[in-house]
Amino acid sequence: EPEVTQTPSHQVTQMGQEVILRCVPISNHLYFYWYRQILGQKVEFLVSFYNNEISEKSEIFDDQFSVERPDGSNFTLKIRSTKLEDSAMYFCASSEGTGGTYEQYFGPGTRLTVT
Amino acid sequence: AQRVTQPEKLLSVFKGAPVELKCNYSYSGSPELFWYVQYSRQRLQLLLRHISRESIKGFTADLNKGETSFHLKKPFAQEEDSAMYYCALSGYNNNDMRFGAGTRLTVKP
Repeated sequence: EPEVTQTPSHQVTQMGQEVILRCVPISNHLYFYWYRQILGQKVEFLVSFYNNEISEKSEIFDDQFSVERPDGSNFTLKIRSTKLEDSAMYFCASSEGTGGTYEQYFGPGTRLTVT
Repeated sequence: AQRVTQPEKLLSVFKGAPVELKCNYSYSGSPELFWYVQYSRQRLQLLLRHISRESIKGFTADLNKGETSFHLKKPFAQEEDSAMYYCALSGYNNNDMRFGAGTRLTVKP
């Protein structure tokens, strides 16, 4: 069964550095998402992406974040200048369509640690 | 604004006992409700959604618009049901999915 994959599984970076988290969505899916989960807290929506554009973003997704689909398979989340509070688990997800009819399939997550 | 509340962080039941995980929501439009589950060391996966009205692994959930609830129920819990359960909400044709804080269910033998 096809799965969403994410690399790396764990990323350690110093405060102020840029990081790029990578995701390979399921190949026939059209919608892509990033979520984060700070340790002990809820899963939070960051952004959704469709047709090479951001379709929705949350208040968390500020100017330090950006997303890109640089080629036909990867979907990336860039954090420009990391802060300690960016330490979290970041999940990528993808779906065939939008709304309740379509399941979002989640990747295993990337644990980002900012020191 | 979309908001999902799961009042119980932890829930522990014995095998064979009924289980109910509570979820309440607030949303001004027409909501799409989901339950996601995360078993130990596995990824988040969809358990069920209100739109399909199905029973998965013995679990059911009914959307009650009057009480703005979408509680997850199972009549006889099994040990393999032990996991983290998240209630989630999005609007119709809306990709902004909001999760509750999650309930950790432990089913004891």
